[in-house]
Order: sequence, then structure tokens, then C-alpha cells
Amino acid sequence: AQSVAQPEDQVNVAEGNPLTVKCTYSVSGNPYLFWYVQYPNRGLQFLLKYITGDNLVKGSYGFEAEFNKSQTSFHLKKPSALVSDSALYFCAVRDSLYYGGSQGNLIFGKGTKLSVKP
Amino acid sequence: GAGVSQSPSNKVTEKGKDVELRCDPISGHTALYWYRQSLGQGLEFLIYFQGNSAPDKSGLPSDRFSAERTGGSVSTLTIQRTQQEDSAVYLCASSLFQGAGETQYFGPGTRLLVL
Repeated sequence: AQSVAQPEDQVNVAEGNPLTVKCTYSVSGNPYLFWYVQYPNRGLQFLLKYITGDNLVKGSYGFEAEFNKSQTSFHLKKPSALVSDSALYFCAVRDSLYYGGSQGNLIFGKGTKLSVKP
Repeated sequence: GAGVSQSPSNKVTEKGKDVELRCDPISGHTALYWYRQSLGQGLEFLIYFQGNSAPDKSGLPSDRFSAERTGGSVSTLTIQRTQQEDSAVYLCASSLFQGAGETQYFGPGTRLLVL
């Protein structure tokens, strides 16, 4: 079965330091991977996605993520964190093998709360 | 352009009452999704619509939940005889097509509280 794991419930980073939010996945086919951010009392905002091609994907607000097939990971990174980056981050995956069927929907991780302190 | 909109933003109801939640997708988007986000949980898929095809209802948790999409645009999620465990944020998303790599764009959600 397809699944996404975000092993850290919370990540604490000092402003200006690099940040990493971890995501690992399990699929049977090829993965389509997404990162979303959710600010308090708001919906999810799309950050970036990996479909195919270059393993390093650049997205909104200076975020990037690296697809690593051997480690089945898609960690979200930013070179220099801002206090305004504090939010809930969700990783999601869709399995190409099941796409179009009832199991082909977007599967979300439970989210990681990022806290950036000044 | 305008994003996905949802109404109401907040809904408080009594156990046993029916509620209707509305979603207006981005204009031109053919696919529409409903998710539920419970406290401390990730997003739980409920249902999706693609054009005029039959909806995929595989995520609906019980027969008290139903959804429809009129005219290929606006969608309504109905919860009958609400229970306290239905309390959650209900999120709607739309995408241009229902493609494997298509990005889903989310609305702000409806926060439902069942007393």
C-alpha cells in the first residue's frame, strides 16, 4: 500500500539557519511527490512537486526538495529559515501504479510543525 | 485569479443535525476533491469528481456522507445526522485535470464543530 511518513512531529530552527523537513514514502510504481504548507486557520498552499527529471526541485518561497529514489525520500529544505516560515508542512505522494483507480489518490503525511525562532 | 472558495468558514451544529458544506473550485478546473483534516491528523481523502464521470466515493467514512457536483463546478458535501466525531476541518481542492502529476489547489476549509 502507498504511504508517506514524516518522522518528525516538530522541527525547531533558529532564523537564518538551514532547515530540513523530512519525508519518506512507499509506493509500488513511480512516485509523484508534493509538498504543501498550511498556515494557521488556512488551507494548504502548494510549494513544489516532483514528477520526473531533475532530482532537485525548486519551489515557492525559496524552498527546494531533493528526490532520492534509493532512500525513498523527498526532504524539504531551505538554506536560510525565516520566522514567517513557521507553519505546518505536509508531504504527499501519488502512486503511478494505482493512478486512475480507487487507490490512486493523493496520500498525505501527518504533517510536521516547523517553528523558526528569531 | 480567484482561488478555491469554501463556505461557511465555520459551522457549529448539534449532534443529529444535517449540514451542507459548499466548495467553489477554480474556474476551468475539471477535478474536485474533498478531504477531512482532524485534529492532529493528516488529510483524509473523502471523494473526488472528474468532469462528468462517476465520482470516486471510496474515501467516504459512512453512508451519512454524500457529495454532489452540479454543472461540473460547485460541489456540496452533505453530512447527515452529524456525530461528534465528524468535527474536523473539511478541505476542498481542485485541479485543472485529474492527472497523476496535477497540482491540487486547496480552499481555506470549513471548520465543523458538532456539539
